Amino acid sequence: DAGVIQSPRHEVTEMGQEVTLRCKPISGHDYLFWYRQTMMRGLELLIYFNNNVPIDDSGMPEDRFSAKMPNASFSTLKIQPSEPRDSAVYFCASSLSREGWYGDSPLHFGNGTRLTVT
Amino acid sequence: SQQGEEDPQALSIQEGENATMNCSYKTSINNLQWYRQNSGRGLVHLILIRSNEREKHSGRLRVTLDTSKKSSSLLITASRAADTASYFCATDGGTDKLIFGTGTRLQVFP
Repeated sequence: DAGVIQSPRHEVTEMGQEVTLRCKPISGHDYLFWYRQTMMRGLELLIYFNNNVPIDDSGMPEDRFSAKMPNASFSTLKIQPSEPRDSAVYFCASSLSREGWYGDSPLHFGNGTRLTVT
Repeated sequence: SQQGEEDPQALSIQEGENATMNCSYKTSINNLQWYRQNSGRGLVHLILIRSNEREKHSGRLRVTLDTSKKSSSLLITASRAADTASYFCATDGGTDKLIFGTGTRLQVFP
């Protein structure tokens, strides 16, 4: 199993540009999560999906952020327009739920995308 | 806001010593998980302990849970340089979200 795959590993962009982060979850997993990690705020849950449907996006900081999961093997997190304060490491994680709830199962993380907005 | 808070924030020990990290949380939980993060990498799941369990072992790892004190501890015995990483606890807080703590940075010197 290749694990959760994220691309790109590093992204450097200028303020105002659109940024798209990509994630391929582990095959068969039914939950997908996007987290953001910064020194100041730690790991923040941005949004999560169950069976490709967004369940909770209350962690998405602003309307500039959007996430999609068009199928079970692919998800994107888009920032448009990007700002310097969006600089962070963005993680995607997937999980296989038991009894319809993910909390009893471990999350499998990708290695993240380090985003730098100048 | 953070559900879990790890203590200490940073810990430095010599190889062979034991390392203990603590996690405190605010609301009742269904279970608590511990993760490790090596520099520049994603988090890796270590152990999940349920609210009705008091102790769990996995190799050199021992996790305890005290729901009356709303706290958990992770003990790494006979530490190795390869254990150098950040360690996070994660709880559901009785909700449908898994929230991570602030982490403990462990440095193990050879």
